[in-house]
Amino acid sequence: EAQVTQNPRYLITVTGKKLTVTCSQNMNHEYMSWYRQDPGLGLRQIYYSMNVEVTDKGDVPEGYKVSRKEKRNFPLILESPSPNQTSLYFCASSRDRGGYEQYFGPGTRLTVT
Amino acid sequence: QKEVEQNSGPLSVPEGAIASLNCTYSDRVSQSFFWYRQYSGKSPELIMSIYSNGDKEDGRFTAQLNKASQYVSLLIRDSQPSDSATYLCAVKVTSGTYKYIFGTGTRLKVLA
Repeated sequence: EAQVTQNPRYLITVTGKKLTVTCSQNMNHEYMSWYRQDPGLGLRQIYYSMNVEVTDKGDVPEGYKVSRKEKRNFPLILESPSPNQTSLYFCASSRDRGGYEQYFGPGTRLTVT
Repeated sequence: QKEVEQNSGPLSVPEGAIASLNCTYSDRVSQSFFWYRQYSGKSPELIMSIYSNGDKEDGRFTAQLNKASQYVSLLIRDSQPSDSATYLCAVKVTSGTYKYIFGTGTRLKVLA
């Protein structure tokens, strides 16, 4: 089954404790992306990657890091989480360089206290 | 001005009616446009994609694109209570980046 998976689905952590949210897709997509969704602000793109070792900033990259060492994986790293990063996070993938529909993972609900 | 704008709603329509959702965007060179449906707490799922001016129909859904006026719309015919969700408009920016910009979504309520 074609899918995007994220782990963990739910995470409660404390300020400053480094964490990683994993994302994996099995569709051999070149384009992968991370979003955060907050009430009233909609989906905002954090980072995207057009292929292995090629990443670029979205609209809200501050406080986040990403890496793309393998085509299927695109982890999101919060080196020092803060309460304002409490949000619902989605990973997505798309074929080619984007410009096509994105397939979304199930989401990760993160709470930073 | 926001890059992709949608009326937040809620838009309430009776069962069986046509629901009309609208979206305007500011980037004149955008080429790819998408409508996603999102149920509360769930991930967005693609309803329609449209790339050229005019109408595109898929079952009960019709997407309309007018690049000159910079708007894209989604019509849902024979609306059902199960269509009650938030509808997100997304635009693929092509001016030097490969970003996607989403609107904040329109909440649709279909009344039985």
